[in-house]
Amino acid sequence: DIQMTQSPSSLSASVGDRVTITCRASQSISSYLNWYQQKPGKAPKLLIYAASSLQSGVPSRFSGSGSGTDFTLTISSLQPEDFATYYCQQSYSTPVTFGQGTRLEIK
Amino acid sequence: QVQLQESGPGLVKPSQTLSLTCTVSGGSISSGGYYWSWIRQHPGKGLEWIGYIYYSGSTYYNPSLKSRVTISVDTSKNQFSLKLSSVTAADTAVYYCARGEVVTVDFDYWGQGTLVTVSS
Repeated sequence: DIQMTQSPSSLSASVGDRVTITCRASQSISSYLNWYQQKPGKAPKLLIYAASSLQSGVPSRFSGSGSGTDFTLTISSLQPEDFATYYCQQSYSTPVTFGQGTRLEIK
Repeated sequence: QVQLQESGPGLVKPSQTLSLTCTVSGGSISSGGYYWSWIRQHPGKGLEWIGYIYYSGSTYYNPSLKSRVTISVDTSKNQFSLKLSSVTAADTAVYYCARGEVVTVDFDYWGQGTLVTVSS
């Protein structure tokens, strides 16, 4: 199985901050990397697919980059509604695997 | 707008079989191009992929659950289903159904999730 490791596990930030979350794969996954946002009691929401493609309807302050084993999700200017947990997911091979999550909290 | 809705018992006894159905509206499972998936989340924990099925019936399962999982599809009802046998308390989780695009396998539409508790 491909292991996905996110860092940090939790993060405190303020509205307006620029935030970066990192995801590392245990082997190369090319660009088969997706990012999700999950709020308490809700299903995950797709933000970024194929490492850097913005899902329709997602604000442009979200961006993704990387290939191979190292990937980042960047939020350029945090908004109040962005405080949530973020997950990366690899789709290079089955079993599909997710990172452990990064909890983004208000400072 | 595609919508997915999970249904099934919220309480299952240990050693029994968990059965859930996902009803898809706003799009046809038979149109192809997507994997129809089950994903679970243990309370307060991360996401675990259980498996997915293509409209043709081809299935892919997580090896960690493969011996206990069956995913099936009923294109006439636009539904797909999950059966997980010999459940224990460790199978207590929120179960989500989701649609995954075939090439990138990103899950773009999800059900709201259903909590299944395994307890006697």
